[in-house]
Amino acid sequence: SQTIHQWPATLVQPVGSPLSLECTVEGTSNPNLYWYRQAAGRGLQLLFYSVGIGQISSEVPQNLSASRPQDRQFILSSKKLLLSDSGFYLCAWSDPSGGADTQYFGPGTRLTVL
Amino acid sequence: GENVEQHPSTLSVQEGDSAVIKCTYSDSASNYFPWYKQELGKRPQLIIDIRSNVGEKKDQRIAVTLNKTAKHFSLHITETQPEDSAVYFCAASPYGNKLVFGAGTILRVKS
Repeated sequence: SQTIHQWPATLVQPVGSPLSLECTVEGTSNPNLYWYRQAAGRGLQLLFYSVGIGQISSEVPQNLSASRPQDRQFILSSKKLLLSDSGFYLCAWSDPSGGADTQYFGPGTRLTVL
Repeated sequence: GENVEQHPSTLSVQEGDSAVIKCTYSDSASNYFPWYKQELGKRPQLIIDIRSNVGEKKDQRIAVTLNKTAKHFSLHITETQPEDSAVYFCAASPYGNKLVFGAGTILRVKS
């Protein structure tokens, strides 16, 4: 069966510091991968998605970037964090065979920028 | 692009009563409509989904209905229990790679 991991689970960072969040998926090949951000009490904002290694689509212009160095690894980065970057970051995957519709979420990383 | 509106934003029901959450979508090309439940501090979990070739789908106490003509779909929870308290998100998929989410509904089941 498929499993999705995210780390770290929680992170407290000062404004202006760099960021690296990692997501890995097990038990599937060539998944579609997604990064979402959820501000406190708010909905799910799609940040990036990827249909393959090195292929990244950005949904919202901001100081974040994403990379997919391996088939089942998705990384979210920032060179300088802003206060507004605080939130719950969720990685998700879907199976591109048969439609790629259903997305399954990882456990998330709670980021606090001080 | 696709736009999904979800109502109500909050819903309080008495334990044992039914709860209904409604979503409307704008893109007639959307053909997949999942519902997710998110408990406090946890990840969203898929609870039920429906495709555009089906009008209704049930799974025990939950059901989803789809009206393609009116472009709306609804989540129905019967015999609500305190553990149903959570935030519920609807979503629509105009094409396979992305989901567009509604803003969410906070459901509170009072015992």
